[in-house]
Amino acid sequence: GAGVSQSPSNKVTEKGKDVELRCDPISGHTALYWYRQSLGQGLEFLIYFQGNSAPDKSGLPSDRFSAERTGGSVSTLTIQRTQQEDSAVYLCASSSQPTPYGYTFGSGTRLTVV
Amino acid sequence: KQEVTQIPAALSVPEGENLVLNCSFTDSAIYNLQWFRQDPGKGLTSLLLIQSSQREQTSGRLNASLDKSSGRSTLYIAASQPGDSATYLCAAGGSQGNLIFGKGTKLSVKP
Repeated sequence: GAGVSQSPSNKVTEKGKDVELRCDPISGHTALYWYRQSLGQGLEFLIYFQGNSAPDKSGLPSDRFSAERTGGSVSTLTIQRTQQEDSAVYLCASSSQPTPYGYTFGSGTRLTVV
Repeated sequence: KQEVTQIPAALSVPEGENLVLNCSFTDSAIYNLQWFRQDPGKGLTSLLLIQSSQREQTSGRLNASLDKSSGRSTLYIAASQPGDSATYLCAAGGSQGNLIFGKGTKLSVKP
């Protein structure tokens, strides 16, 4: 596609429920990243996929968070048993490799846990 | 562990002023340095990317410089306009492609 697409744009969920956030990167971009932006905080790296390599999960805050990328394209970030502190904007970005061209970010999913 | 700091956290200027936003990083072994703009409720828009071998990049009224040895980057905005009002984020890129972000500078340009 023309840009990075994320869905849903907004999600309100009850504490304890599971949620899935979707990212559709730019066609042909081999690298895909998930970041989280909490109110008043900077962007926090969560996970990174590069081609068929094992993902870099070093930024995931707990084992309630997981992500997969099917067929080297669409990615899903899953948060199990959501907590109020999970409320944030979840941003996805993709880039081509090597990375002289920088990143393209999606508009994000605003997650609110009530 | 890379840490990125942006100063000031907020800035308000009258229209037409030239201004400088500052970014510092603790680990000079960066792959690139990127500046983004974020409008309220929106995603990030890439403004300028400086590779580690470069000293600066320019796009229109924007100029970004990079001094790896001192761990600093600056974003210069010439002749500021109300439409420049946004949060500006600096991010240091590692060799794996991951970005470490500062908390941003919130810029307000008054007409």
